[in-house]
Amino acid sequence: EVQLVESGGGLVQPGRSLRLSCAASGFTFDDYGMYWVRQGPGKGLEWVSGISWNSGSIGYADSVKGRFTISRDNAKNSLYLQMNSLRGEDTALYYCAKGRKLAVAGQIDYWGQGTLVTVSS
Amino acid sequence: DIQMTQSPSTLSASVGDRVTITCRASQSISSWLAWYQQKPGKAPKLLIYKASTLESGVPSRFSGSGSGTEFTLTISSLQPDDFATYYCQQYNSYQTFGQGTKVEIK
Repeated sequence: EVQLVESGGGLVQPGRSLRLSCAASGFTFDDYGMYWVRQGPGKGLEWVSGISWNSGSIGYADSVKGRFTISRDNAKNSLYLQMNSLRGEDTALYYCAKGRKLAVAGQIDYWGQGTLVTVSS
Repeated sequence: DIQMTQSPSTLSASVGDRVTITCRASQSISSWLAWYQQKPGKAPKLLIYKASTLESGVPSRFSGSGSGTEFTLTISSLQPDDFATYYCQQYNSYQTFGQGTKVEIK
């Protein structure tokens, strides 16, 4: 059974940093691209970042480029999102998501339950 | 960046109705489009990928069509379990989601 378990969310002040983690199990982690998708309170889905199976291709939404860094550790079956210079508009539920392909972009066939990030003073 | 525009934003319908949601891309994405269903408090669920391929286990009343810049999701006969929010997603160039279409009870 595929499982994606996010952690690391919480309340953080504007301008500070936070690191999200996603522990994956139930599939061959290094065979698939992985993504972070967020959903603000009462809002729609927003793709945040994606990483290919071997970290060779990485992409970011314009809204987070230069502030967020995605990475993965295939030996630990884990995905990460380092979030710096956080802003109020980054407040959201952050989902870890598994792609159907090796690539940095693809349809998402599994989602975690999300970890909530709240940016407020 | 590729922008995705869904219409309508909200759709009121009754059980048994045929429902169509449209998604337009700001540039051609070939057939690299997926549709998701999301219910309150839950993660999204993949319904259709590559514009028209039904995900395993998804009822056949769901169908997708289109290519290039214009796509549709059709529910042939709306069931009580189908009241939810639907999102399109392009994955031709990284990923972008549409803003969502809420299907509510009329």
